[in-house]
Amino acid sequence: DQQVKQNSPSLSVQEGRISILNCDYTNSMFDYFLWYKKYPAEGPTFLISISSIKDKNEDGRFTVFLNKSAKHLSLHIVPSQPGDSAVYFCAASWRSSNTGKLIFGQGTTLQVKP
Amino acid sequence: EPEVTQTPSHQVTQMGQEVILRCVPISNHLYFYWYRQILGQKVEFLVSFYNNEISEKSEIFDDQFSVERPDGSNFTLKIRSTKLEDSAMYFCASTPAHQETQYFGPGTRLLVL
Repeated sequence: DQQVKQNSPSLSVQEGRISILNCDYTNSMFDYFLWYKKYPAEGPTFLISISSIKDKNEDGRFTVFLNKSAKHLSLHIVPSQPGDSAVYFCAASWRSSNTGKLIFGQGTTLQVKP
Repeated sequence: EPEVTQTPSHQVTQMGQEVILRCVPISNHLYFYWYRQILGQKVEFLVSFYNNEISEKSEIFDDQFSVERPDGSNFTLKIRSTKLEDSAMYFCASTPAHQETQYFGPGTRLLVL
């Protein structure tokens, strides 16, 4: 079951530059998307979300872009900081679900080098 | 800031034993979830719970699993007879309303020997 895919297992970026993390999905019923950040031995921490009625949502250094026709979303972090080094998970859900369960991608490990 | 808490942080058990993983969701939240992450794999949904009953469960959540909200604050996941393949990180999450952001606890690392 690969409804949500993060095809890049890892990404390395220099401090101060932009980090772009990508996520693809196959289920066209998904209408709510989230990004979580996870440090080792901790639970996922919510970063930012976007509803399918929007194509962009911004919160400080974090921006999520949604391209519904391509079934693709991306997370931009500008500028990247060493503290951003973590595993980033894309997750999706759909309103017709009576539970709001999240379907996760495999995660991308981001390393920001000082 | 309110947060989801989970106990224990680590649990080691023998195959066939029962384990209970405990969670205290954020106090005004109404929807509760368990997810798990086997080492090296993605986080996967196990079960959702609303209004004192299971609202959805995955294929993983078989008869060996059960959930309970025994009082107004705790939310538990019980595995009746653990198997080696139950070894994973188990995360509890809660949300105030349907399709609002889910907030996750720090997880319980379960190791079945």
